Amino acid sequence: GAVVSQHPSRVICKSGTSVKIECRSLDFQATTMFWYRQFPKKSLMLMATSNEGSKATYEQGVEKDKFLINHASLTLSTLTVTSAHPEDSSFYICSASWTTTSTDTQYFGPGTRLTVL
Amino acid sequence: AQKVTQAQTEISVVEKEDVTLDCVYETRDTTYYLFWYKQPPSGELVFLIRRNSFDEQNEISGRYSWNFQKSTSSFNFTITASQVVDSAVYFCALSTISSNTGKLIFGQGTTLQVKP
Repeated sequence: GAVVSQHPSRVICKSGTSVKIECRSLDFQATTMFWYRQFPKKSLMLMATSNEGSKATYEQGVEKDKFLINHASLTLSTLTVTSAHPEDSSFYICSASWTTTSTDTQYFGPGTRLTVL
Repeated sequence: AQKVTQAQTEISVVEKEDVTLDCVYETRDTTYYLFWYKQPPSGELVFLIRRNSFDEQNEISGRYSWNFQKSTSSFNFTITASQVVDSAVYFCALSTISSNTGKLIFGQGTTLQVKP
């Protein structure tokens, strides 16, 4: 199956700093990548959808300036949490698919656990 | 509106028991896709199956089987002879053709605990 990696797997940072999370598709070209946030014992909440070479589409209620997404190539998307605060602590998961349509399966990365002190 | 409901929050079984995880979905689209993902304690979501709305055939893969019934808008997942390694959170998800974005709508997840 398709392999998606995320780096780092865990990060602890001080309040006010920015954190960058990378999502890579290792064995396929991902036209579309998705970023999710998951709270403990909760389901996944879609934050944004990014297509290679274009601006990300954010879900309602997600701050664009807070969560910067860049999808510069077909194998890499990054999520930067700017000026992180304790309430941003969460499990962030990316996924990738070949196409931009709903016909495709999303393959998920292993997730990044962010803790903001 | 699109919605996925997994009414079972937590299920606990003893090893070797069969267990069924329920999934009910809502959509007005005639073309859609249903998925099951497994999330073990490590956190990574593992893809299990994808089924399109025009294929109602049940599927079996080893100890896993899926029962898709459009009449009841359900896509249930059964694990036969459960094992401790099956312990995880299982998510059912829906994707519709009208969204044309690949956006997945997840259910709330069912936590399965298989005890030795």
